[in-house]
Amino acid sequence: KAGVTQTPRYLIKTRGQQVTLSCSPISGHRSVSWYQQTPGQGLQFLFEYFSETQRNKGNFPGRFSGRQFSNSRSEMNVSTLELGDSALYLCASSPAAWVANTEAFFGQGTRLTVV
Amino acid sequence: SQELEQSPQSLIVQEGKNLTINCTSSKTLYGLYWYKQKYGEGLIFLMMLQKGGEEKSHEKITAKLDEKKQQSSLHITASQPSHAGIYLCGAANDNAGNMLTFGGGTRLMVKP
Repeated sequence: KAGVTQTPRYLIKTRGQQVTLSCSPISGHRSVSWYQQTPGQGLQFLFEYFSETQRNKGNFPGRFSGRQFSNSRSEMNVSTLELGDSALYLCASSPAAWVANTEAFFGQGTRLTVV
Repeated sequence: SQELEQSPQSLIVQEGKNLTINCTSSKTLYGLYWYKQKYGEGLIFLMMLQKGGEEKSHEKITAKLDEKKQQSSLHITASQPSHAGIYLCGAANDNAGNMLTFGGGTRLMVKP
């Protein structure tokens, strides 16, 4: 069974540009969550989707957005990039509606560098 | 909001030694996850604990959940260089959904 796939693995963007990251969950999983990891802030929750609906959103500016498609694949978009957006972006895949009832698996992440 | 405190923040052990990492929550634990991360890579799922008193093992790694203390511990027996990495605990939120709150991580180095 294939794991969680994130593309691309690495990205270098210029300040002011926008970027789109993709996450394909494990087959059959309906939930995708996104996290930002930085040395200073650690792992922080961005947002999560279940069956195409965004249910929770973390404390990030509106420049961060996402969506989930009918095949459960998800994308997150960051507009007007800032240097502070440089981070490892991770997505997690889960089959159930409440993560307390099931396991959650992460992808390899996308390393975004903003210059 | 829920907070998870991990201790120690970093650990250096001699190969073959045992070690324990702790994760303490500020709120009731509904599901506690342990992950391992190599620098700059994704999180590798180790195990998940759901009930108080639950204990799970995988190879030389054992995790326990103490619901009353709102705490979990991860114990590695006879550590090996392959155990080196960052260990992260994550907890489910009590409002349902799939959001996880993470601790700050414990960086483990194993000296051969």
